[in-house]
Amino acid sequence: EDQVTQSPEALRLQEGESSSLNCSYTVSGLRGLFWYRQDPGKGPEFLFTLYSAGEEKEKERLKATLTKKESFLHITAPKPEDSATYLCAVHVRNFGNEKLTFGTGTRLTIIP
Amino acid sequence: DGGITQSPKYLFRKEGQNVTLSCEQNLNHDAMYWYRQDPGQGLRLIYYSQIVNDFQKGDIAEGYSVSREKKESFPLTVTSAQKNPTAFYLCASSIGPMNTEAFFGQGTRLTVV
Repeated sequence: EDQVTQSPEALRLQEGESSSLNCSYTVSGLRGLFWYRQDPGKGPEFLFTLYSAGEEKEKERLKATLTKKESFLHITAPKPEDSATYLCAVHVRNFGNEKLTFGTGTRLTIIP
Repeated sequence: DGGITQSPKYLFRKEGQNVTLSCEQNLNHDAMYWYRQDPGQGLRLIYYSQIVNDFQKGDIAEGYSVSREKKESFPLTVTSAQKNPTAFYLCASSIGPMNTEAFFGQGTRLTVV
């Protein structure tokens, strides 16, 4: 069964304290890995798509990387406005069936 | 502004009643999706549609129904057969297949009492 596990569940950082969020996956037929940001009571907002191991993408203070078994979302010198839940999802296709499996998210809090 | 609109934001219904959640997009996207989000769980796919007049079941389709009569609209009906309907429902759309960027609506929080 396809599995996506995010860690830690929650993370509190001081403003400016860099860290990384992890998304590990056990799937067959990976066709893409997505990172989304979700604010409380709102829909997720797209951040990145990664398609192959070794790929990296950056946006402001965020950098996403991908290996064959996991993805990291690195946050450099975070600000309070970076506080949100970060979701990862993997897209797989097996025998013509497509599926997008989401992790449960990491709730990030940046303390001023 | 282009986007995806869900309505209403909050919805209350009595147990045993069917309820329809609205989802409209003006992004000219072919694919649309319905997800359910519960505390402590990842988003779970209910139904998706890649073209008008066609849709496929996701992981948790039982107790739900959809239609896709227009490209812009993908309403979700939560029927009385859904055992635990209280949840946060999210609609999304993408320009291409499932491995492309999806845009989400702001969600509908359904409470069944």
